[in-house]
Amino acid sequence: GAVVSQHPSRVICKSGTSVKIECRSLDFQATTMFWYRQFPKKSLMLMATSNEGSKATYEQGVEKDKFLINHASLTLSTLTVTSAHPEDSSFYICSANPGTIQETQYFGPGTRLLVL
Amino acid sequence: QQQVKQSPQSLIVQKGGISIINCAYENTAFDYFPWYQQFPGKGPALLIAIRPDVSEKKEGRFTISFNKSAKQFSLHIMDSQPGDSATYFCAASRTGNQFYFGTGTSLTVIP
Repeated sequence: GAVVSQHPSRVICKSGTSVKIECRSLDFQATTMFWYRQFPKKSLMLMATSNEGSKATYEQGVEKDKFLINHASLTLSTLTVTSAHPEDSSFYICSANPGTIQETQYFGPGTRLLVL
Repeated sequence: QQQVKQSPQSLIVQKGGISIINCAYENTAFDYFPWYQQFPGKGPALLIAIRPDVSEKKEGRFTISFNKSAKQFSLHIMDSQPGDSATYFCAASRTGNQFYFGTGTSLTVIP
């Protein structure tokens, strides 16, 4: 099946610093990638839809200046959490759509962010 | 507004038993219904998916039943095993658009 990777898998940072999370589709090209946030024992909350070569579309209530998304190529999207604060601590997951008829999203393994 | 409602929130099943998780949706434009399995600290993995042109799809021990008129679909796990213990999410989407996820079901299979 299609493989999506994320890096790093875990990151601990100090409050006020910025953190970049990478999402890569390893064996397919993805014109669309999605970024989710998941709280413990909760469902996935869509943060934004990332389209290659264009600006990301953010869901209501998600600060685009806080969560910067760049989809620089058909295999890479990055999420930068700027000026991170403890409330930004969460599990961030990306997914990618191969654009086939099946329209399935394949998920990365997630990135655990802890802001001290 | 919850586009997809999932139940139960948690489920405990004996090894060898059948696990059943239900989902309901409102938007009749949805045409793709996947189920994902997620283990703690990992990303969701696609388990099985169905489109509304069929009423049932089976892959190994996993079966999706789909009722278009009732706008409901369910996941059945036959011969449940301890290794199936995980959180399961249903989702629905309209082709080319975002996925809407259910709230998740935590399944525990007791040996």
